Amino acid sequence: GENVEQHPSTLSVQEGDSAVIKCTYSDSASNYFPWYKQELGKRPQLIIDIRSNVGEKKDQRIAVTLNKTAKHFSLHITETQPEDSAVYFCAASISSSASKIIFGSGTRLSIRP
Amino acid sequence: KAGVTQTPRYLIKTRGQQVTLSCSPISGHRSVSWYQQTPGQGLQFLFEYFSETQRNKGNFPGRFSGRQFSNSRSEMNVSTLELGDSALYLCASSWGLAGGAGEQYFGPGTRLTVT
Repeated sequence: GENVEQHPSTLSVQEGDSAVIKCTYSDSASNYFPWYKQELGKRPQLIIDIRSNVGEKKDQRIAVTLNKTAKHFSLHITETQPEDSAVYFCAASISSSASKIIFGSGTRLSIRP
Repeated sequence: KAGVTQTPRYLIKTRGQQVTLSCSPISGHRSVSWYQQTPGQGLQFLFEYFSETQRNKGNFPGRFSGRQFSNSRSEMNVSTLELGDSALYLCASSWGLAGGAGEQYFGPGTRLTVT
């Protein structure tokens, strides 16, 4: 079955700097890759997703890149702000079938003032 | 549109007891997935229900079971509770199958503590 590995587990960056979180997946058939943000005490919320027919997607300060050959995808946050502090989860699934969404283990991002 | 709701929000049970958690999806959503969240294991997939049928199941023992009703509301049951079952249980709903085109929306979770 699908396995998703996420690195790093914790990340601390200076406010205004960029943060990058990386994930690798095992099933080459996976074609849907969402990213979730979970603030302390709150529910996970989808912040961006990408499908395998594109290599990059951007939404304001957030971007996701996908390398299908290497089976890895990354989340990039630029000009980080205090409200970016949260746990971020990547996930992978096969959208064309009834497959389950498998989550990475999460990255705790802290923004230093 | 109302979001995903879960009841109860907090629960304390004793080892050996059983528990039932409830999830009401967003109106019109037909898929409900359940996840166990613990500090050490992250988000672990339990199962997904779509149109009252279990479509997928994670690697959890048979003590964990669920069902979905015709109005898409779902319940999850854990029998013979163990201390290791203490966790935040999240449900998520989507219009289509979770791994498909529909975005998943999470509920606030039920915090289960087993003593």
